[in-house]
Parts: sequence; structure tokens; C-alpha cells
Amino acid sequence: DGGITQSPKYLFRKEGQNVTLSCEQNLNHDAMYWYRQDPGQGLRLIYYSQIVNDFQKGDIAEGYSVSREKKESFPLTVTSAQKNPTAFYLCASRPDRGNSPLHFGNGTRLTVT
Amino acid sequence: AQSVTQLDSQVPVFEEAPVELRCNYSSSVSVYLFWYVQYPNQGLQLLLKYLSGSTLVKGINGFEAEFNKSQTSFHLRKPSVHISDTAEYFCAVSELRGGTSYGKLTFGQGTILTVHP
Repeated sequence: DGGITQSPKYLFRKEGQNVTLSCEQNLNHDAMYWYRQDPGQGLRLIYYSQIVNDFQKGDIAEGYSVSREKKESFPLTVTSAQKNPTAFYLCASRPDRGNSPLHFGNGTRLTVT
Repeated sequence: AQSVTQLDSQVPVFEEAPVELRCNYSSSVSVYLFWYVQYPNQGLQLLLKYLSGSTLVKGINGFEAEFNKSQTSFHLRKPSVHISDTAEYFCAVSELRGGTSYGKLTFGQGTILTVHP
């Protein structure tokens, strides 16, 4: 079955460490997105990529980095510069067609102590 | 820039009662509108979308929504809810620029629907 795989489901890190969240899709979608979810704040866009080797900052990119070396993969690194990294992170993708909705993975819950 | 406001953070209802989850948006250009549902510790699943045409949109699980351009609203409704509808619901908007949506969604804060027996 096609879909978006985020791993791991739960991730724990010590403050000051960088951590990379994995996102892989086998839907052959062109565009991929990272969102951060905090209680009562909805989802906020971190980074997105519409094509391999290209990506753009979203609304809250500070303290995060991404790469898009392959169409199927869009890993997100949470750096030590991110002031409040504990959150639920959601990866999404869509075909590069104007009215296609986003498809979401099941998320990674990151806890930094 | 667009914004989305979900007017109720929590909506408790009894099973088999009707429910309406309210969503208002703000944008200076045309938009696409979406409702997503999220079950605990899972990703988001698309319920329905409004792209163009009929303002009444039907989605999965018996939900429907009505686009009202003059009131910039996109309220979600279901005539009779089930226990299994307990979840968090998100309204989202995507702006059209040059007739194209780049898939950047702006989400509301979410509404937690709790269905009691």
C-alpha cells in the first residue's frame, strides 16, 4: 500500500543535541511538507519542498533544517538552536497538481528534556 | 496572508445528536478549503474539500460542509454523530495565486469533538 512513513513514532533527546526525523513516501508525490503541532495551536508549516534539491522555509523554520536529495525522502533535523523543540511533527506530501489535498504521515512525537 | 479561526476549541455532544463545527477564514485572494480529522497520536485524514462549484460539499463518514463566501465561513456539519466521531477536527485554507495552489495550508487551532453515550 502506498503511504507516508514517519519514524520513529516516539523520540526522546537531551537538550543541546540535534535530532533527525525521517519521512519517506512511496506515493510518487512531488511536493513534501513538514508541520509542527502544539496543543491548541493547530499545525504550523516548518519547511516544504516542491522538487528534488529545492526547498523553502515555512512560517517557523528557525532552528530546523531539511534536505531533499531523493523524491521519496524529506528528513527534518531539529537543531539545538530550536528553543522549544518538544512537539508532534507531521510530514505530508501531495502531487504537484493545483487542487490535490495533502496526505499526512502518522507523525513523530519528539520530547526534549 | 490568510488566517483561519475555529470558533470553538471543544464541542461536547451526545450520541445521535447533530453537530456543527465552525470555521471562518480571512484571505485577500481565492482559496481552497479543507476539513481534516485527527485521531489521538495519528496523522490527519481528509474529510472533505471545497475547490469550486457547489457550495455544499459532502465528505466521508457522513460529514458535509457549506462554503459561504460572503461570510467567509466553511462550517462542518453532521446530522447524527457516533461515538467513533470523537476526534480533533481541523479547518484549513490554501490560497490561489495565478490560479494555482502551492499546497501550503494554513490551519485553524482545531476543535475537539467529544461524543458522549
